[in-house]
This record gives sequence, structure tokens and C-alpha cells, in this order.
Amino acid sequence: EAQVTQNPRYLITVTGKKLTVTCSQNMNHEYMSWYRQDPGLGLRQIYYSMNVEVTDKGDVPEGYKVSRKEKRNFPLILESPSPNQTSLYFCASSTFQGHQPQHFGDGTRLSIL
Amino acid sequence: KQEVTQIPAALSVPEGENLVLNCSFTDSAIYNLQWFRQDPGKGLTSLLLIQSSQREQTSGRLNASLDKSSGRSTLYIAASQPGDSATYLCAVRPAGGTSYGKLTFGQGTILTVHP
Repeated sequence: EAQVTQNPRYLITVTGKKLTVTCSQNMNHEYMSWYRQDPGLGLRQIYYSMNVEVTDKGDVPEGYKVSRKEKRNFPLILESPSPNQTSLYFCASSTFQGHQPQHFGDGTRLSIL
Repeated sequence: KQEVTQIPAALSVPEGENLVLNCSFTDSAIYNLQWFRQDPGKGLTSLLLIQSSQREQTSGRLNASLDKSSGRSTLYIAASQPGDSATYLCAVRPAGGTSYGKLTFGQGTILTVHP
């Protein structure tokens, strides 16, 4: 089954404790992206990757890091999480050409205390 | 900077009604536009994708149109059902350049279809 898998689905942690949210896709997609969704602000893009070793900033990259060492994985790293990063996070993937729709994971709800 | 607006923010209709959701965008230089559905606590499910060269796409009871020059798209849902209740989001992908990978979303329309 074609899918985008995020882990963990839920996490409560404390300020400053480094964390990683993993994202994996099994569709051999070149393009992967991270979004955060906040009430009243909608979905905003954090980082995206057009292919292995190619990443670029979205609209709200501050406080986040990403890496793309393998085609299937695109982890989101919060080196020193802060309460304003409490949000619902989504990973997505698609083919590079963009002719095909983007596939989304089920989301990760992060609470930073 | 691309801005995407969806109207109305919320819509409540009785079962069986035909309805239209609207999406407008400020920069017409788009590669494609995609409509998604989001159920509570879930991720986004792609409904329809329209390339910039297309005028409309259909899938079952759903029809999406695109007028790129005026910066508008509509999602038409025929014979609505309670199972259609969800948040509907539109998103645009820019046409090339360094912003090719960026997707800009509207805030969504919360649809409730009551029996």
C-alpha cells in the first residue's frame, strides 16, 4: 500500500530537549515536504526536498532542521524545541514533476511544555 | 508572495444539496492547484489536481474548475452526503523558478452535511 508514515503520532516533551520526527514514504517519490498546521494560520510549509541531498526552506523554517540522505526518508529535527513549536505536523511526498498529487502522512501532534 | 483564500470559512447544508466551495489566489503563475479533504485528527487526502493548462477535473460527485487568469478555482460537490463532512483545502504550486517546491494552502472550508 502506498503510504507516507510519520512517527511518533503524538509526543509531549519539554523545552530544549532535542527531538526528531521521522517520515518515510514507499512510493519512490523525489519530492518530500514538511508542514505545520495551526488554528487560524492553516498549513504552512517548513522545509522541502526536491531529491536526495537537496533541501530548501519553506515559509517557516526557523527552529527546524531537515536532512535527506535517502530517497525514502525525510526526518524533521527540532534541536532545541520551544513552546511555540507546539503544533500538528504533516509530512508529504510526490513525484518531482508535480503532475501527481501530493500524499500526506497522518500527522504528528507535538506538545512542547 | 502567493496568498490563497477560501470562502466560505464554514458551510452547513442539508443532505442532498449541491454546493460550491471557492478558492482564490493572488499570483496566477501557478503550476497546478490541488483540492484536499481533511477529516478530524487525520492527514490530508487528495481529491483533485488541476494542471495550469486544464480547465476542470472530475471525480465521481466532485468537479473542480480552474480559471488561472482570474485566480480562482471552485470545487463543486453534487448531491452532498453526511460522509462529505470534513474540512476542504485548496493548495497552489508555483510555476517554476526557485519556488517550485513551495505549496501554499488556503485556510480551508469546514463543511457539515446534516441528514
